[in-house]
Amino acid sequence: GQNIDQPTEMTATEGAIVQINCTYQTSGFNGLFWYQQHAGEAPTFLSYNVLDGLEEKGRFSSFLSRSKGYSYLLLKELQMKDSASYLCAVRDSNYQLIWGAGTKLIIKP
Amino acid sequence: ETGVTQTPRHLVMGMTNKKSLKCEQHLGHNAMYWYKQSAKKPLELMFVYNFKEQTENNSVPSRFSPECPNSSHLFLHLHTLQPEDSALYLCASSQDLGDNGNTIYFGEGSWLTVV
Repeated sequence: GQNIDQPTEMTATEGAIVQINCTYQTSGFNGLFWYQQHAGEAPTFLSYNVLDGLEEKGRFSSFLSRSKGYSYLLLKELQMKDSASYLCAVRDSNYQLIWGAGTKLIIKP
Repeated sequence: ETGVTQTPRHLVMGMTNKKSLKCEQHLGHNAMYWYKQSAKKPLELMFVYNFKEQTENNSVPSRFSPECPNSSHLFLHLHTLQPEDSALYLCASSQDLGDNGNTIYFGEGSWLTVV
């Protein structure tokens, strides 16, 4: 079966750095997405990786290793507004999105 | 504002009621989706429409009935639901299906409670 694993919950301190990991086992690979979802709001697109390596976008970076079936989302200079759930999703060989259950990130002052 | 609007935002219905969820996208996309989101579970894809044609039905019970009159509007008709159907229902759209970098844009969801 297809599976996406990410930690259920993480806690970090304002101003610090946090890394949210995502491992996947899917039938084929056509890209990996990260979304942010604040409580009661729509998931919003953060990043897309299809080739190995690091994609940087401001305070957020996303890394992909296809050979290891692994990605991480790196958040720097954490702010209170970064408290949210972070969803990892992989597009499989049929172009279907397979979703993880999300990681709830709690930022403390 | 994501360009995908859902109504109502909150809905409480009895198990014998009939109600509908509405979704409208203002992005000029051709593909639209219904997802179910339950606490601590992955998003569950329910239905996919591409150019108004249904391309995916992920073994969804018949008490959920989708309708796509045009590429901008999507409905989810609900009847004789069960309490376990209580969840957040998310509508989404994308330019089309396939294409590696195709990004999905979500609406803010309709919170459904079945009593």
